[in-house]
Amino acid sequence: DGGITQSPKYLFRKEGQNVTLSCEQNLNHDAMYWYRQDPGQGLRLIYYSQIVNDFQKGDIAEGYSVSREKKESFPLTVTSAQKNPTAFYLCASVGSRGYEQYFGPGTRLTVT
Amino acid sequence: GQNIDQPTEMTATEGAIVQINCTYQTSGFNGLFWYQQHAGEAPTFLSYNVLDGLEEKGRFSSFLSRSKGYSYLLLKELQMKDSASYLCAVESNDYKLSFGAGTTVTVRA
Repeated sequence: DGGITQSPKYLFRKEGQNVTLSCEQNLNHDAMYWYRQDPGQGLRLIYYSQIVNDFQKGDIAEGYSVSREKKESFPLTVTSAQKNPTAFYLCASVGSRGYEQYFGPGTRLTVT
Repeated sequence: GQNIDQPTEMTATEGAIVQINCTYQTSGFNGLFWYQQHAGEAPTFLSYNVLDGLEEKGRFSSFLSRSKGYSYLLLKELQMKDSASYLCAVESNDYKLSFGAGTTVTVRA
């Protein structure tokens, strides 16, 4: 079946550690996105990529990094520089403009 | 940038109708999406409006007025499973979506 997978569903880390969240899609979509969601807030864009080997910062990119070496994969690294990393992280992809973004199931990251 | 406003919470009775309003101010507009999100889950697509007017899809309808920067999502014949957060999102010219904070709808028996 086609879709987007994110793993793991729950992730726990100690403060000061970098952590990488995976996002894989087999929809043959060009564009991929990473969002962060905090309680009572909408989704905020971290990074996005419209094509392999290219990506742009979103609204809240500080403390995060990404890579897009393959069309199917868009991993997000939460670095120790991110001051409030505990959140629900959602990955999405879209085939072309004007079509809906498909979301993965999300990863809930807790940093203590 | 984008500024998107929608009510925080709404409550309605099973079988009733609820209208969720969304107003936006945008520096570039391509279209407007509505998503449904149940607690702890990913958002799922409901509707997309690019032209003015009403788009109907079963029990859900969405309306857009680009000149007024206004949209609404209409949920008819409410069911308990419709209790969720509803997200308004504006697509700008560069493929990006900006989301509102979401409206939590509670359906009561």
